[in-house]
Formats: sequence, structure tokens, C-alpha cells
Amino acid sequence: AQSVTQLDSQVPVFEEAPVELRCNYSSSVSVYLFWYVQYPNQGLQLLLKYLSGSTLVKGINGFEAEFNKSQTSFHLRKPSVHISDTAEYFCAVKKETSGSRLTFGEGTQLTVNP
Amino acid sequence: KAGVTQTPRYLIKTRGQQVTLSCSPISGHRSVSWYQQTPGQGLQFLFEYFSETQRNKGNFPGRFSGRQFSNSRSEMNVSTLELGDSALYLCASSLPGHQNTEAFFGQGTRLTVV
Repeated sequence: AQSVTQLDSQVPVFEEAPVELRCNYSSSVSVYLFWYVQYPNQGLQLLLKYLSGSTLVKGINGFEAEFNKSQTSFHLRKPSVHISDTAEYFCAVKKETSGSRLTFGEGTQLTVNP
Repeated sequence: KAGVTQTPRYLIKTRGQQVTLSCSPISGHRSVSWYQQTPGQGLQFLFEYFSETQRNKGNFPGRFSGRQFSNSRSEMNVSTLELGDSALYLCASSLPGHQNTEAFFGQGTRLTVV
């Protein structure tokens, strides 16, 4: 079975500061990795995904993530955050052969303060 | 291109009743998955349907069931509602095939059981 651990439940930062949201995963088989964002009373929106190839993945809204196989991590970063980035962020994994089933982490609430 | 549509957006039911939630996937998407989101348990996978067949099932009691129609629209049903079933229920659709791994989420149905 797979599992995902998001190491910080809440991350407060000031506007224009850099941010890193940490995600570690555990799986005995190869997986695909995702970051989703959820704004209040909304569904989930895909930020970026890692399927294969380059370990540095760029996504929407200036976010990027780096896949580290040896450390089984997939941390999300943004060099300069905006107030509008305030939301909950979820890391997720999917087995390559499990249909569409996603296993999510507990989520990280990012709060950007002026 | 229309996104994933979930109806209704909000629902209030009484303990012991049953409820049916609906999900219309993106046109051309044949895989539909359902997730339950609660503050205590986070995002948990309920089940996945593909071509009218349940392909994956999470660890939920038999009170939770679903089905998919020939046009890929899906419904999930919860019988004998309990207070703990209060949650945001999210539906996600995706293209078939393991390489097409991106799941698109609807805005969810907020179910409150009183």
C-alpha cells in the first residue's frame, strides 16, 4: 500500500517570501506524484504532476516540485508567494497500475500574510 | 469544455435517511472516482467506476454504493445516514489508460447529516 506524509499541517509566510511545502511518500511499487490545491468551498485543482523524466517539474501559478527518489520526497516550492496563494495544498500518489485511485496526504494549509 | 459537474452542491439530511449524489464527468472521460473529505480523516477514496464497472473500492461500509451509466455519469448512494457521514464528497474524472493519470475534480457536494 502507498502512504503520503505532509510534514507541515500549517505554513504561515509573508507575501513575496519563498515557501516550501514538504511531502514524503512510501510505496513498494512505482508511483506517479501530484500536487493539488484547494480553495475554500471548492474542489481540487491540479498544480503539477510527476510521471517520469526530469525530476524538476514546473506547474501552474509559478509552483514547481522536485522528485527525489532516494529520499522518497516530492516537495513543492514557490520563490515568491502572493496573498492569493492562501489555500490548502495536497500531495498525492497513484500506483502506475491502479486505475485512477489517488492516495492523499493530510494537507498543508498555506497562509500568506501581508 | 465543461468541467466535472456535481449536483447538488449542498444537502442537509436527517440520520437514518438515504442520499444520492450525482457526478457528470468531462466529455470523453470514462473513469469516475469518488472521495470523501472530512476534517478528521482527510481525503479518502470511496470507489472508482470505469465503463459502468466498479474497478476499485476503498475501505468504506456497504452503506456506501455507487454506479455508472452508459454515458459515464455516476451516482453514489449512502443509506442509513449517520452523523459521521457529514463531509464534502468529491468526484473526479479522468481518461482511461495508465498514462492519462490526471484527475479533474468537481466542486463537490457538501452533505450535512443532522
